Amino acid sequence: EVQLVESGGGVVRPGGSLRLSCAVSGFTFDDYALSWIRQAPGKGLEWVSGIKWNGGTTRYIDSVKGRFTISRDNATNSLYLQMTSLRGEDTAVYFCARGGNWFDPWGQGTPVTVSS
Amino acid sequence: DIQMTQSPSSLSASVGDRVTITCRASQGITTYLNWYQQKPGRAPKVLIYAASSLQSGVPSRFSGSGSGTEFTLTISSLQPEDCATYYCQQSYSTPRTFGQGTKVEIK
Repeated sequence: EVQLVESGGGVVRPGGSLRLSCAVSGFTFDDYALSWIRQAPGKGLEWVSGIKWNGGTTRYIDSVKGRFTISRDNATNSLYLQMTSLRGEDTAVYFCARGGNWFDPWGQGTPVTVSS
Repeated sequence: DIQMTQSPSSLSASVGDRVTITCRASQGITTYLNWYQQKPGRAPKVLIYAASSLQSGVPSRFSGSGSGTEFTLTISSLQPEDCATYYCQQSYSTPRTFGQGTKVEIK
């Protein structure tokens, strides 16, 4: 069974940092690109970042460039999102997902709340 | 960035009705268009990829069509379990962008 399980979310003050993790199982990890997608409370979906199978190419939405870093460890089947200089508008549930074109499947999400 | 606009934002229909959701892209995206279903408190799941390809395991009452800038998701016979929010998403360019969602309710 393909599974993606996020962790690392929580409550952080503006300007703070968090590192999200996504543990993957059930498929050949380094055959696939991976992505982070977020959903603010009561809002729609927003793609945040993606990484190619070998980690050689990464992409971000403009609002997180320079603040977020996506990475992967193909030895441990793990995906990461290092988030720094967090802002209130980063408050959302963060999902990891397999794929870089369409996303399937998704993890259950980990909530991030940026608040003082 | 490519903007994706869905219509309607919400709809209410009866069980057995045919339901159509439209998604328009701000520029041509050929058939790089995907559809997702999200139920409350759950992660989204892909229904259709590449505009018209049905994801494995998805009921055949779901279908997608279109190319260029205009796309449709059709539910041929609405079922109670189809109560959800539906999103389109383009994979033509980065950043990947989603429509704002269409909430489908049962009358």
